[in-house]
Amino acid sequence: KNQVEQSPQSLIILEGKNCTLQCNYTVSPFSNLRWYKQDTGRGPVSLTIMTFSENTKSNGRYTATLDADTKQSSLHITASQLSDSASYICVVRAQSGGYNKLIFGAGTRLAVHP
Amino acid sequence: KAGVTQTPRYLIKTRGQQVTLSCSPISGHRSVSWYQQTPGQGLQFLFEYFSETQRNKGNFPGRFSGRQFSNSRSEMNVSTLELGDSALYLCASSLVPSGSNEQFFGPGTRLTVL
Repeated sequence: KNQVEQSPQSLIILEGKNCTLQCNYTVSPFSNLRWYKQDTGRGPVSLTIMTFSENTKSNGRYTATLDADTKQSSLHITASQLSDSASYICVVRAQSGGYNKLIFGAGTRLAVHP
Repeated sequence: KAGVTQTPRYLIKTRGQQVTLSCSPISGHRSVSWYQQTPGQGLQFLFEYFSETQRNKGNFPGRFSGRQFSNSRSEMNVSTLELGDSALYLCASSLVPSGSNEQFFGPGTRLTVL
């Protein structure tokens, strides 16, 4: 069964600290993995997309990693800011031929406190 | 370039009523997907339309239906509303349905069923 599991469910950190969010997936056939940031009351916004051959990709203070062998991805946030408070959703696309499906993780809710 | 727009932003209905939500994709995008987001279930895929045809469908009852018009605008209808239908309904558009094309989400319609 295709599944995406994220941990932790929620996280509280102090402003300026770093944090790492985890995403484990059992999705086949794997096409790509995307991290989204969703501010409260808004739609998700894409942070990074990673394909099978990519190990690391950065977008400002956000760095995503992908280990296709262990089927794990992480999102590292450096020097957190209050504006990083949001839900972070990991989404994996399974695609092969005519089969094309997005599998969503439940998200990690991050709160950055001053 | 204008983003994905959804109307209305907020809606309150009572059980048994029906509701129609509207989504206007980014100009030039021909694929529109709908999602239901609840605190307990996260994002769940409803259906996807491309060139006025439903291309993909999630595991929702027949009370949930949609359509896409020739200008790529899409509507979603929920009939015989139930309390459990209270959720944030998100629409996402992309150029085409498959591959690594990014989905751009709208701000959502918050539906409350009393």
